[in-house]
Amino acid sequence: RKEVEQDPGPFNVPEGATVAFNCTYSNSASQSFFWYRQDCRKEPKLLMSVYSSGNEDGRFTAQLNRASQYISLLIRDSKLSDSATYLCVVNPGTNAGKSTFGDGTTLTVKP
Amino acid sequence: EAQVTQNPRYLITVTGKKLTVTCSQNMNHEYMSWYRQDPGLGLRQIYYSMNVEVTDKGDVPEGYKVSRKEKRNFPLILESPSPNQTSLYFCASSPRDRGYPYEQYFGPGTRLTVT
Repeated sequence: RKEVEQDPGPFNVPEGATVAFNCTYSNSASQSFFWYRQDCRKEPKLLMSVYSSGNEDGRFTAQLNRASQYISLLIRDSKLSDSATYLCVVNPGTNAGKSTFGDGTTLTVKP
Repeated sequence: EAQVTQNPRYLITVTGKKLTVTCSQNMNHEYMSWYRQDPGLGLRQIYYSMNVEVTDKGDVPEGYKVSRKEKRNFPLILESPSPNQTSLYFCASSPRDRGYPYEQYFGPGTRLTVT
């Protein structure tokens, strides 16, 4: 089993749709969690950090469920510009420097 | 401008010819890391460094070396490249929060082809 697993998709949704991605992790001691966005083999860029209390930034909401060991990303009112690959990242607590990326979920928003 | 730079951006080389990919950041970050990205395999961590003179293996360190003599630089060395090291390589840096890397800033990537 991979340490971090994502549904690869692709997710094809119309503009204005709400879409949600999940990411499961295997190490219960994991300490910090992030969502990154990557456009077409360019460098990943931070989208959101994921806090225990959940956090929201405009149309984006991230949640952490420690009991079930998953994080989620919700995108409301999808825009064409949201088309990208979304990567979840987990930093396991047992080894402070390690950083494990999921394989990514590809989203295509269509007119 | 705060940034991570990598050089070269593109490189085609032959098996066995030693090469170095440079990475430099101007944000005074303690943490730096190298990743490779292959289709269907996502980003995999090669090596990371928590601070100057402190480096450690990631998930796929075989065939690579790194050094961290200065805070701003973290070169990736391939002593004897092989075709299975053909990949897209990213360098990243990060401030640390409670000891862990926080937001990682990535360089633009180096596309390496080993023939």
